[in-house]
Amino acid sequence: DTGVSQDPRHKITKRGQNVTFRCDPISEHNRLYWYRQTLGQGPEFLTYFQNEAQLEKSRLLSDRFSAERPKGSFSTLEIQRTEQGDSAMYLCASSSDVAGGQDEQFFGPGTRLTVL
Amino acid sequence: SQELEQSPQSLIVQEGKNLTINCTSSKTLYGLYWYKQKYGEGLIFLMMLQKGGEEKSHEKITAKLDEKKQQSSLHITASQPSHAGIYLCGADRSLNAGNMLTFGGGTRLMVKP
Repeated sequence: DTGVSQDPRHKITKRGQNVTFRCDPISEHNRLYWYRQTLGQGPEFLTYFQNEAQLEKSRLLSDRFSAERPKGSFSTLEIQRTEQGDSAMYLCASSSDVAGGQDEQFFGPGTRLTVL
Repeated sequence: SQELEQSPQSLIVQEGKNLTINCTSSKTLYGLYWYKQKYGEGLIFLMMLQKGGEEKSHEKITAKLDEKKQQSSLHITASQPSHAGIYLCGADRSLNAGNMLTFGGGTRLMVKP
């Protein structure tokens, strides 16, 4: 397995356009996370899936954002009507649930979004 | 939500010198993670600490967790240019399963040859 992959790596779009990002987690991992990171800051949690169920969403995830994980494998994050404030690195991570509920998250390389 | 403060925010050291990065939480720590990030790239997992007093080492990097102080430290011995990057601490937001992490702002390390 090659780790967590994300596509595209870079996306430049005009304000008002919709964009969709894809994340492929490590194959045996049932947990998948989306984070957003702006320049000079640490990542901020957006949403979390256990298998295909979206179990938690951050208040950062406005109604313009939607995430899916239809078959419990890959996930997509869509941003509708993009705004310049959406410009950031979008990071995906995956982990497996082990006894005790804590296991390290493995991160993908990220998708850098620039909204003009 | 949990607040994590990292210090220092940036650090420049001469190759071969030792250094320490601190991560302090405003709330109880259930699990503390250290990651390294190269500019514009994803996060590389370094270590996870779960129990008070726990200490882990990998190559020249040692991390400790002080549960009482709600603090963790990352120590690099005999730093090398390959250690340069952004070091991030992350903490579990709750005791329940889920592992949604809150991160500190990062410490930017530069190692001068």
